[in-house]
Amino acid sequence: EVQVVESGGGLVKPGGSLRLSCAASGFTFSSNSMNWVRQAPGKGLEWVSSISSSGKYIYYADSVKGRFTISRDSAKSSMYLQMNSLRAEDTAVYYCARGFVVAPGKYYFDYWGQGTLVTVSS
Amino acid sequence: DIQMTQSPSSLSASVGDRVTITCRASQGISNYLAWYQQKAGKVPKLLIYGASTLQSGVPSRFSGSGSGTDFTLTISSLQPEDVATYYCQKYNSAPFTFGPGTKVDIQ
Repeated sequence: EVQVVESGGGLVKPGGSLRLSCAASGFTFSSNSMNWVRQAPGKGLEWVSSISSSGKYIYYADSVKGRFTISRDSAKSSMYLQMNSLRAEDTAVYYCARGFVVAPGKYYFDYWGQGTLVTVSS
Repeated sequence: DIQMTQSPSSLSASVGDRVTITCRASQGISNYLAWYQQKAGKVPKLLIYGASTLQSGVPSRFSGSGSGTDFTLTISSLQPEDVATYYCQKYNSAPFTFGPGTKVDIQ
């Protein structure tokens, strides 16, 4: 059974840092892209970042570029999101989602985790 | 960047009604369009990819169509369990932008 499980959320002060993790199981990790999507309270879905199956290609939303860093570790079947210089507007549930690769750079998100809440507040 | 819009932002319909949601891309994205359903307090669920291909396990009352810039999600006979917010998403290239969502209720 395909599973992706997020961890690492919590309360952090503005300007602080947090590292999210996503543990994957039930599929060949190296065959799929991995992605982060967030949802602020009462708001819609916002794509945050994606990393290709090889880790070679990385993409960020403009809203997080220069502050967030995505990475993956195939040996641990895990993906990470290092979040620095956090702002109040980064407060959201962060979802990890597996990307089904249709073609290079083209993937839809077929399995989602339960999400982890990040709250940025003083 | 390509912008995604959806209409309407919300709708209320009766059980058994045919419901149509529209998604529009500001530039052509071929058929690289997915639809997701998110019920209140739950995780988003993939419904349709490739604009019209139903994900495994999704009821056949859901269908998708379109290509280029204009897409539709149709529920042929609305059921109580279909109450949710529906999002479209482009995946032809990054950024993989979502539409703002359409909230569907039962009247």
